Amino acid sequence: NAGVTQTPKFQVLKTGQSMTLQCAQDMNHEYMSWYRQDPGMGLRLIHYSVGAGITDQGEVPNGYNVSRSTTEDFPLRLLSAAPSQTSVYFCASSYSQGAYGYTFGSGTRLTVV
Amino acid sequence: AQSVTQPDIHITVSEGASLELRCNYSYGATPYLFWYVQSPGQGLQLLLKYFSGDTLVQGIKGFEAEFKRSQSSFNLRKPSVHWSDAAEYFCAVGGASGTYKYIFGTGTRLKVLA
Repeated sequence: NAGVTQTPKFQVLKTGQSMTLQCAQDMNHEYMSWYRQDPGMGLRLIHYSVGAGITDQGEVPNGYNVSRSTTEDFPLRLLSAAPSQTSVYFCASSYSQGAYGYTFGSGTRLTVV
Repeated sequence: AQSVTQPDIHITVSEGASLELRCNYSYGATPYLFWYVQSPGQGLQLLLKYFSGDTLVQGIKGFEAEFKRSQSSFNLRKPSVHWSDAAEYFCAVGGASGTYKYIFGTGTRLKVLA
């Protein structure tokens, strides 16, 4: 089925560990982004990409890295996990700017202990 | 500053009753406007969107929304709520003026009483 695939669905990390959250889409969407969702705070943009080789920071980029080597993939790397990064992470993609809206993945629930 | 406000954190309605979820925005230009629904443990699903034309837009699952420029609002409505509509609803704005960035509201959690 076409869409946005995120792996893993659940992850527990120890403080200081690093990991990569995977995101892949098969819709040939130009635009991809990572959000984190925390209770009462809605969705906050971490990083986004407008095409292969182009990334930029969002609202809350600290502690996260991204790269976009292909149109399909947009991994999010946690460099040194902290308890404040406990959250649900969503990857989303869009065909083009503006009017189309996002297609979201099903999320990764990350707990940092 | 660009922002989205969903003033109701929680709303409870009885099954079969009508529903209106409020969304107000602040944006420099005429924005693209969206409503998303999130069921527990799931990602967000696009319900409907507005970017031009008729200010009353129809979406999936029997939802509709009306864009009111004078009130900077984009309220979501449904004439008769079903128990399966219990979820969290997010309003979002953005995407206009060549930007890919979307701003999401903090969400409204809907509870449906049988």
